[in-house]
Amino acid sequence: AQSVTQPDIHITVSEGASLELRCNYSYGATPYLFWYVQSPGQGLQLLLKYFSGDTLVQGIKGFEAEFKRSQSSFNLRKPSVHWSDAAEYFCAVGAGITGGGNKLTFGTGTQLKVEL
Amino acid sequence: EAGVTQSPTHLIKTRGQQATLRCSPISGHTSVYWYQQALGLGLQFLLWYDEGEERNRGNFPPRFSGRQFPNYSSELNVNALELEDSALYLCASCGRAPNTGELFFGEGSRLTVL
Repeated sequence: AQSVTQPDIHITVSEGASLELRCNYSYGATPYLFWYVQSPGQGLQLLLKYFSGDTLVQGIKGFEAEFKRSQSSFNLRKPSVHWSDAAEYFCAVGAGITGGGNKLTFGTGTQLKVEL
Repeated sequence: EAGVTQSPTHLIKTRGQQATLRCSPISGHTSVYWYQQALGLGLQFLLWYDEGEERNRGNFPPRFSGRQFPNYSSELNVNALELEDSALYLCASCGRAPNTGELFFGEGSRLTVL
């Protein structure tokens, strides 16, 4: 069965500092990996996704993530955090676009706080 | 283009009552997914509907049920409400395979059980 671990429940960074959110997954085949962001009282917005190819993927709002198969990781990074980035971030793994739908398994999320 | 829409935004019920939540997918999307987001538990997969049929179900009791209508909108019913059913219920949609792989989420319906 697939699973996702986000080891950091809360992270606090200063505005302008760099950010890395950790994500480890467990999946038997080639994973389809996603990062979503959820602002308070809102639904989830897709930041970026990885299916295949270049292991460094770029997303919206200046975020990027790197897929490392050997470490079963898909960490999210941003070089300089803005106060508006404060939100909850979810990593997710899916079975792919052709097999059994787009059901995603999510991690428990990392709450990001940005200090001004 | 309208995104995934959910109603109601907020719903307050008491224990033992029934709740009905509704979801309209993005135009052209045929699959609807329901997730429960309870405090501190992340997103838990509830149900997947595709082309009017239930395709997959998460680890939830049978009092969680739903359906998908011919226009691909969906309804989630929760019977015999319990306090622990209080959560944000998120609906998501996607198009027919092959598609872009992600789910598109609505803003959720917050259910409070008193």
